[in-house]
Amino acid sequence: DTGVSQDPRHKITKRGQNVTFRCDPISEHNRLYWYRQTLGQGPEFLTYFQNEAQLEKSRLLSDRFSAERPKGSFSTLEIQRTEQGDSAMYLCASSPLTSGGNTQYFGPGTRLTVL
Amino acid sequence: QKEVEQNSGPLSVPEGAIASLNCTYSDRVSQSFFWYRQYSGKSPELIMSIYSNGDKEDGRFTAQLNKASQYVSLLIRDSQPSDSATYLCAVSNDYKLSFGAGTTVTVRA
Repeated sequence: DTGVSQDPRHKITKRGQNVTFRCDPISEHNRLYWYRQTLGQGPEFLTYFQNEAQLEKSRLLSDRFSAERPKGSFSTLEIQRTEQGDSAMYLCASSPLTSGGNTQYFGPGTRLTVL
Repeated sequence: QKEVEQNSGPLSVPEGAIASLNCTYSDRVSQSFFWYRQYSGKSPELIMSIYSNGDKEDGRFTAQLNKASQYVSLLIRDSQPSDSATYLCAVSNDYKLSFGAGTTVTVRA
C-alpha cells in the first residue's frame, strides 16, 4: 500500500513539552497539507506545501507550530511548549499537482493528547 | 456564518433505505466539492468528488451539486450497516479544503 503514512499514530505528552510528527505523502504527490481535527468538528486547514515550498499557513498555526518539507518529500510538524488545547488529531493529506479539483488523500492521523 | 454547513444529524435510517445528506457553502467561487466518510477514530476517506452542476453516481452513492444555490448533497442508496459513519462535506477553490462539522449516519439492521 502506497498511501499517506504518518508517525507516530498516538502521542501522549505533558504540557510544555515539544512534539514532532512526520508525514510521508503518496509517492510523486507534489502537494502536502496538514489539518487538525477536534472531536465533533471537521478537519481545519493548518498549512500547505507545494514541493518544498510552504505556500500558506493558517492563522490557527501559532508561533509554537512549525512545519517543514525538506527536499519536497516527507514533512514534519513540530509543536513547541504544548498546551492542553493542542490535543487533537493531526491529519496529513497529499494530492498530485495535476489533480483536477485538488483531490486530497488523508493519512491515518496522529492523535495527540497533552496532559 | 460558517464556510460549510451540514445538517447536524444524527441521521438514523433502516437498512436498505436511502440516506440523504445536505451541505451548503458560503464561498461562491468554490470549484471543487467532496464527500468524505470517517469512521470513529479513523481518518477521512474520500467517497465522491464533483465539480460541475448536476448528479454524479458511483455505485450506491450519488452526489448532487447546485452552484447557483450553493448546495451539495449525497444520497446513499440501499444503506448498509457498514455505511454507519460520519460524512464530511468539503469545499475547495484552490488548494485547501474547508470542511463542515459532519453528519453522523446510523444504519439500523
